[in-house]
Amino acid sequence: GAVVSQHPSRVICKSGTSVKIECRSLDFQATTMFWYRQFPKKSLMLMATSNEGSKATYEQGVEKDKFLINHASLTLSTLTVTSAHPEDSSFYICSASAGGGNEQFFGPGTRLTVL
Amino acid sequence: KQEVTQIPAALSVPEGENLVLNCSFTDSAIYNLQWFRQDPGKGLTSLLLIQSSQREQTSGRLNASLDKSSGRSTLYIAASQPGDSATYLCAVRPGDDKIIFGKGTRLHILP
Repeated sequence: GAVVSQHPSRVICKSGTSVKIECRSLDFQATTMFWYRQFPKKSLMLMATSNEGSKATYEQGVEKDKFLINHASLTLSTLTVTSAHPEDSSFYICSASAGGGNEQFFGPGTRLTVL
Repeated sequence: KQEVTQIPAALSVPEGENLVLNCSFTDSAIYNLQWFRQDPGKGLTSLLLIQSSQREQTSGRLNASLDKSSGRSTLYIAASQPGDSATYLCAVRPGDDKIIFGKGTRLHILP
C-alpha cells in the first residue's frame, strides 16, 4: 500500500504554545487528507477533512481556530494545535486518499503531550 | 447516524487458540468495512478490507466476514500467537470518504 508519514512522532510542549504536525503522502498524490484524534480507550474520532487547495471541513464540536489545518500541496497537510492546553494531549493520526472513493492510508500518528 | 460497536472490549486467550472478534454497525449502507491492528502508541496497520459486495476476505491466519444486511462483521484469527497481541479496530465507510471507527478490542495472547 501507499506510504504516509507524520512528523514529529512525539512532541512535548508547554501549555500555551502552538504545535505543528505534518502529514505527508510519500508515493502518491493525496487529494484528500483526514485528521483523527484518539483518546485512551475511545474510538478514533475524525476531526476534519481537507482537500488540497481548499479550506478544511471540520466535524461538529471541533474548533477550527484551535486546530488549524492547511493542505497546500498534494503531498502535505499540516495540523497546528494553537495555544495548546493539557486537554489537547492526545494521539493524532492523519490519513491520505487519492480521493474519489479511493482507500485511505494512515500515518503512524503523533503523540502530543501538553504540560 | 452510523455507529460501530466492538465486542468484547478486551480479550485474553492462550496461545494457539482460534478466536473471533466481533463488530457491529447500525447502518447497513456502507461502502466497505476494514479491520486494523494498532500496537500501543503506534499507528494503524490495515489488515483486511471488505467491499460492500464481498462476503469475506482472507490473509494468512486472518479471515474477516461481512454480513451487511445484519450489520455485522467478524475477524477470525487462527492459531493465535503472542505477536498477535494488539488492539484490533473495526471501521466502516458509509459511502463518502469518511471512516467511522469502533473503540477496538484489546487482545492479549497468553504465552
